[in-house]
Amino acid sequence: GENVEQHPSTLSVQEGDSAVIKCTYSDSASNYFPWYKQELGKRPQLIIDIRSNVGEKKDQRIAVTLNKTAKHFSLHITETQPEDSAVYFCAASKGGGGSNYKLTFGKGTLLTVNP
Amino acid sequence: DGGITQSPKYLFRKEGQNVTLSCEQNLNHDAMYWYRQDPGQGLRLIYYSQIVNDFQKGDIAEGYSVSREKKESFPLTVTSAQKNPTAFYLCASSIAGEQFFGPGTRLTVL
Repeated sequence: GENVEQHPSTLSVQEGDSAVIKCTYSDSASNYFPWYKQELGKRPQLIIDIRSNVGEKKDQRIAVTLNKTAKHFSLHITETQPEDSAVYFCAASKGGGGSNYKLTFGKGTLLTVNP
Repeated sequence: DGGITQSPKYLFRKEGQNVTLSCEQNLNHDAMYWYRQDPGQGLRLIYYSQIVNDFQKGDIAEGYSVSREKKESFPLTVTSAQKNPTAFYLCASSIAGEQFFGPGTRLTVL
């Protein structure tokens, strides 16, 4: 089955700096890669996702890049703010129907943005 | 967010007892999922269902059971066979791959 590795497990940055979280996946058939943000005691919420037909996607201060050849994808957060502090999870899925709805998650990155 | 509800928010159970966690959604999603979350372990899939009256085991199904009699509901039973049930349990539903999570149930075994 799919295996997703996520690094680093913890990341501390100063407010205004950039943060980068990286994930690798094992199944070359995976084609959907979401990122979730989970604040303490809350539910995970989708912040951005990318499908395998594109290499990069941006949404304001957040961007995700995908390298299908190397089987890795990354989350980039620019101009970090204290409210960005949370646990971030990457995931991978084959998507598109049947059992391919399954998401395999990385173990998460605890991001701390220091004021 | 508000379309998926889980109850109760906190649940305490004695060892040897079965307990059922509720998950309801009004998003008209076909697929529903149960995850377990432990510190430092990410989200691990317990069971999932793509359609009413059908469900599949996930990666850590031992000691758990589910049913899917209605599209809106996907209850999870934690049985006495689950060796270490204390955890945060999250339910999700999806359409076109994107998953939406409920607020979670924190189960503690005393």
